[in-house]
Amino acid sequence: QVQLQESGPGLVKPSETLSLTCAVSGYSISSGYYWGWIRQPPGKGLEWIGSIYHSGSTYYNPSLKSRVTISVDTSKNQFSLKLSSVTAADTAVYYCARHGYYYDSSGTRYNWFDPWGQGTLVTVSS
Amino acid sequence: DIQMTQSPSSLSASVGDRVTITCRASQSISSYLNWYQQKPGKAPKLLIYAASSLQSGVPSRFSGSGSGTDFTLTISSLQPEDFATYYCQQSYSTLEVTFGQGTRLEIK
Repeated sequence: QVQLQESGPGLVKPSETLSLTCAVSGYSISSGYYWGWIRQPPGKGLEWIGSIYHSGSTYYNPSLKSRVTISVDTSKNQFSLKLSSVTAADTAVYYCARHGYYYDSSGTRYNWFDPWGQGTLVTVSS
Repeated sequence: DIQMTQSPSSLSASVGDRVTITCRASQSISSYLNWYQQKPGKAPKLLIYAASSLQSGVPSRFSGSGSGTDFTLTISSLQPEDFATYYCQQSYSTLEVTFGQGTRLEIK
């Protein structure tokens, strides 16, 4: 059973860099799939931040691209998120998830997020 | 980028009701559409992928349909544990992921 667990500071000061790590158990990141970060401001909807392929290729939300770095450490079976120059608008619950995919009989690739970590609340405040 | 619009934003229903939630994409996304359920304080849970495929372990009262720009999630007979917020998500491109704004399903 694949499980993901986010970790990192719950409080970050404005203008600083938010750093989170997602530890994966029950599956080796090196085996494949993408791995993603999604956030949810309090009382609001879901926003995809970005995803990383097991090989290290990254894909970011264009609205956050200039501030986001996602990396993978296959030796520790974990991947990480860095978001720079944070403001109060970056306060949110941050989730990591496996960004899985499969190919149907016609060769079409479908992808989705499953499973998800439990999420970690990061508050940006001085 | 592809915008996803869900309707309604909130919905009140009773146990046993049949409920339908709609998701519309700003451009055709074929069948690249997923549905998630989120309960308060919990992470989202994948219900439906590829527009109509039921994720393993999800009750058969949940079903999805649609292709192109218009999609629906149907719960055939609401159970008490189904009251939650539901999100659609387009997966037309791995490089561009967007979610709908959510539909909150409440008890009438």
